[in-house]
Amino acid sequence: DQQVKQNSPSLSVQEGRISILNCDYTNSMFDYFLWYKKYPAEGPTFLISISSIKDKNEDGRFTVFLNKSAKHLSLHIVPSQPGDSAVYFCAAKNTGTYKYIFGTGTRLKVLA
Amino acid sequence: SQTIHQWPATLVQPVGSPLSLECTVEGTSNPNLYWYRQAAGRGLQLLFYSVGIGQISSEVPQNLSASRPQDRQFILSSKKLLLSDSGFYLCAWGGGHAGGKETQYFGPGTRLLVL
Repeated sequence: DQQVKQNSPSLSVQEGRISILNCDYTNSMFDYFLWYKKYPAEGPTFLISISSIKDKNEDGRFTVFLNKSAKHLSLHIVPSQPGDSAVYFCAAKNTGTYKYIFGTGTRLKVLA
Repeated sequence: SQTIHQWPATLVQPVGSPLSLECTVEGTSNPNLYWYRQAAGRGLQLLFYSVGIGQISSEVPQNLSASRPQDRQFILSSKKLLLSDSGFYLCAWGGGHAGGKETQYFGPGTRLLVL
């Protein structure tokens, strides 16, 4: 049972435009969400997180939006840069547990 | 600052051989430690996690095992590797207790190819 889903395996965006990566979850007990960026043959790097008490969190070019009623979160990257080309994973956690549940990832390609 | 090390970076092993992957964390104490596997074209699958020395929780039944002999050391092992064990193995640490909103940080990973 895939509790965290990233339904778009890949996304291509022109440099300078907005990249929007989506993530859906099924477990209403999740209350903390994270986005990671991963280059090939490297470990994922933490980008940004959001608690369920918020609906938006911003850090530079990265903004995460959380829609609890829809069980949906999204990562916006503005403006997109070629160095943003990577696989992006969303992850969810119930802060009453130790486990992080990851989605299957979306490969973002930013075209110069 | 905290640092997480994994080795080896790459490993090619024959089917049926044993496995030992090591992960160590510096700059923190009593971390929660995790082993994940990323198979080709797949997401991150949680294999094991540990909240203290000698404490191991297994998430997926398989021929792998984990041990935590020291506070900041986490080892992934197998007695006999299968072809399906090939993948990219990632160790991660997260601080604190279950009730927290701690970020999880990953090591550089080990690419395992079983032939």
